[in-house]
Amino acid sequence: SAVISQKPSRDICQRGTSLTIQCQVDSQVTMMFWYRQQPGQSLTLIATANQGSEATYESGFVIDKFPISRPNLTFSTLTVSNMSPEDSSIYLCSVGWTGRTNTGELFFGEGSRLTVL
Amino acid sequence: KQEVTQIPAALSVPEGENLVLNCSFTDSAIYNLQWFRQDPGKGLTSLLLIQSSQREQTSGRLNASLDKSSGRSTLYIAASQPGDSATYLCAVITQGGSEKLVFGKGTKLTVNP
Repeated sequence: SAVISQKPSRDICQRGTSLTIQCQVDSQVTMMFWYRQQPGQSLTLIATANQGSEATYESGFVIDKFPISRPNLTFSTLTVSNMSPEDSSIYLCSVGWTGRTNTGELFFGEGSRLTVL
Repeated sequence: KQEVTQIPAALSVPEGENLVLNCSFTDSAIYNLQWFRQDPGKGLTSLLLIQSSQREQTSGRLNASLDKSSGRSTLYIAASQPGDSATYLCAVITQGGSEKLVFGKGTKLTVNP
């Protein structure tokens, strides 16, 4: 497993501003993902954070709205740009490993609860 | 497109009861299935992982089974406790090269003292 730290844990933001969420892992991981959980809903994958290259976005999510960085194997950021109240959600970082011994198990951070007024 | 359904959406039981949470998925070609626990406003805690070749996994009072051919999994919680109160999420990774987890909407469990 891994210890995954997300910052901030929560924030209240004004409409039209942007917020960057950080995900720090205590060990090198192969895979990093960003999920969104809207109020009362389950988790939806936003994108796969690729080290050293552009993230791979799921249908309905675009880079201009959710720019992602992953400069190394232990760190990633997700920015929520030009926020509106509809962006109020919990944003979660998830990590895992590929390879022959990989079980496919994924681990999650504590999440960042964002409220947009 | 893989879809995951969890029944019931909510469950309230008295302390000490044994209970079963259900999860079904539409595409049986899965790589694995994971059960998570989520406390209100928090992240996800991985409870059990079942590989596609496995039938069940156990951890303490939890037992998860997998019937891939019928597209079903159950999470059995023995001797429930108030501390078990949380939302339980089922998620699958479908075979085919992607490590994406597809989640159900969860079962909100309340265990009353």
